[in-house]
Amino acid sequence: AQSVAQPEDQVNVAEGNPLTVKCTYSVSGNPYLFWYVQYPNRGLQFLLKYITGDNLVKGSYGFEAEFNKSQTSFHLKKPSALVSDSALYFCAVRDLTGGGNKLTFGTGTQLKVEL
Amino acid sequence: GAGVSQSPSNKVTEKGKDVELRCDPISGHTALYWYRQSLGQGLEFLIYFQGNSAPDKSGLPSDRFSAERTGGSVSTLTIQRTQQEDSAVYLCASSPAGRTEAFFGQGTRLTVV
Repeated sequence: AQSVAQPEDQVNVAEGNPLTVKCTYSVSGNPYLFWYVQYPNRGLQFLLKYITGDNLVKGSYGFEAEFNKSQTSFHLKKPSALVSDSALYFCAVRDLTGGGNKLTFGTGTQLKVEL
Repeated sequence: GAGVSQSPSNKVTEKGKDVELRCDPISGHTALYWYRQSLGQGLEFLIYFQGNSAPDKSGLPSDRFSAERTGGSVSTLTIQRTQQEDSAVYLCASSPAGRTEAFFGQGTRLTVV
């Protein structure tokens, strides 16, 4: 079975500071990893994905994520946070080689960026 | 349309009534997911369709919940004898076969009064 853990319910950061939102995963095969963002009263928007290749993945709005196979992690990062980045962030995993195409989400991390 | 379409966007129903929620996925997408998001909560997986394979129903919370996908396209999530704890936003997503991301609709906000 595949699973995703987001250990922090909420992350607070000052505008202009770097931010990190943590995600770890568990799969039996090779993971395909995703980050989504949800703004208030909106649907989920895709941010970035890791499929294969370079461990550092760049996505929308200046976000990036680093795949670390040995630590089974896929943390979301941004060098300089903006107030407008405040939203709910979800990490997700797919395990195509483990059998099935199911997309499993973490419980979400609320990011709050303050002036 | 270009994206995943869900209808209605909002639904208020009386306790005990049945409701149907509709999802029109992106044309050609073989995978379709239903998730539930309660107020301030994460995404709860409900059911997953992949092509002609048997659906993964492991997330359906009770036998009051069911879903079907006709012709590999439109999907309907049905909740029978609704209860107040069924109140949530129901999200549908679709994805092409393979290793790409899923695309979400805007959701249906269900309120059971």
